[in-house]
Amino acid sequence: EVQLVQSGAEVKKAGESLKISCKGSGYIFANYWIGWVRQMPGKGLEWMGTIFPFDSDTKYRPSFEGQVTISADKSISTAYLQWSSLKVSDTATYYCARIHCSSTSCYLDNWGQGTLVTVSP
Amino acid sequence: QSALTQPASVSGSPGQSITISCTGTSGDVGGLSYVSWYQQHPGKAPKLIIYDVSTRPSGVSIRFSGSKSGNTASLTISGLQAEDEADYYCSSYTSSTILDYVFGTGTKVSVL
Repeated sequence: EVQLVQSGAEVKKAGESLKISCKGSGYIFANYWIGWVRQMPGKGLEWMGTIFPFDSDTKYRPSFEGQVTISADKSISTAYLQWSSLKVSDTATYYCARIHCSSTSCYLDNWGQGTLVTVSP
Repeated sequence: QSALTQPASVSGSPGQSITISCTGTSGDVGGLSYVSWYQQHPGKAPKLIIYDVSTRPSGVSIRFSGSKSGNTASLTISGLQAEDEADYYCSSYTSSTILDYVFGTGTKVSVL
């Protein structure tokens, strides 16, 4: 069974750094792109970017480039999302998701349970 | 790339059918078969319910069906049940080589 298990909720202050994780199991982690999705309180889903763990090829949505860093360690089947200096506006739930590509399209077939990040002033 | 446009809310009585629209451009929704749909219950992670416009993953109820016409994709829920009350998001992307996804604005489905 494919599973993505994310690290637990975090409470931080503005200006602090943070790294959250997403550990995959039940499949060859290195061979599938992993995407990160932000959901601000009461809002919709926003695509942040993606990483291919095999070679760490990373693509960011322009609005998130420079704001976060996506990385992965294929030896422990884990992807990461990190901030060097959090802002109050980073308060959100962050999801990781596996991207599965068929012969016709790619889609997010398995999701982590989400990590709630709360940033206070 | 702007969010895809969905109605904010759709409601129906148990047993009825409802349809949620998702409007984009020829660069995303209108392009080939890149549309997928996700169901999200309150406090839970999204769940894939439709991919390739109209394909259901294993285990997803046959009451969920998808279609597309031009730049608008649609999700139909037939035989509406209380458990279908959730938020629904469509998604697409412009190129499989870029994997730059865009989500719809989301639709709250209420079962009356």
